[in-house]
Amino acid sequence: DSGVTQTPKHLITATGQRVTLRCSPRSGDLSVYWYQQSLDQGLQFLIQYYNGEERAKGNILERFSAQQFPDLHSELNLSSLELGDSALYFCASSVLGSRSTDTQYFGPGTRLTVL
Amino acid sequence: GNSVTQMEGPVTLSEEAFLTINCTYTATGYPSLFWYVQYPGEGLQLLLKATKADDKGSNKGFEATYRKETTSFHLEKGSVQVSDSAVYFCALSDSSSYKLIFGSGTRLLVRP
Repeated sequence: DSGVTQTPKHLITATGQRVTLRCSPRSGDLSVYWYQQSLDQGLQFLIQYYNGEERAKGNILERFSAQQFPDLHSELNLSSLELGDSALYFCASSVLGSRSTDTQYFGPGTRLTVL
Repeated sequence: GNSVTQMEGPVTLSEEAFLTINCTYTATGYPSLFWYVQYPGEGLQLLLKATKADDKGSNKGFEATYRKETTSFHLEKGSVQVSDSAVYFCALSDSSSYKLIFGSGTRLLVRP
């Protein structure tokens, strides 16, 4: 158990809908990352937050947004869903997120299926 | 840009065989290197890491050495077990943005 929790574990929805994925980092970690794992793209970095502020952005679609709250939990919002958004979405956390030596600890993931 | 290349899988071995999974990287600066493992139906677990050249990371019998001259971080284990069957991901930590850049993963299947 990494100490990172994600809810829900599974999500099934229809095209055009909007969903919210939630992540709670390990106790004491200030930085949260979101990754998408799909069969065709592999594991791709989406976005990083540090202590409530956006720090880095990857190839995140405009339909996707995220935020980190004062209690440090984070939410990833996916809207106008398409079939291609079906994937496993991981959250990770690290102590600072300002050093390349920091270890990122991953949650169990949320499997999103868009029908 | 920065990238990680892993050997194609699946790799199928008999129990107690020697394992090598190749990983090479392209990066500017001085990245940290990681191996993560994903067991069926689970998330990613850190297996080992190395943060500078010639560092050796080790855990649970697995080892990998950060080789700057060959830009490699190959994963090895002397004697694999059935319980090692999983997907293994090599990754580097981008020294400018600190995101992880992953290889495509290598599936390992160990037969009794």
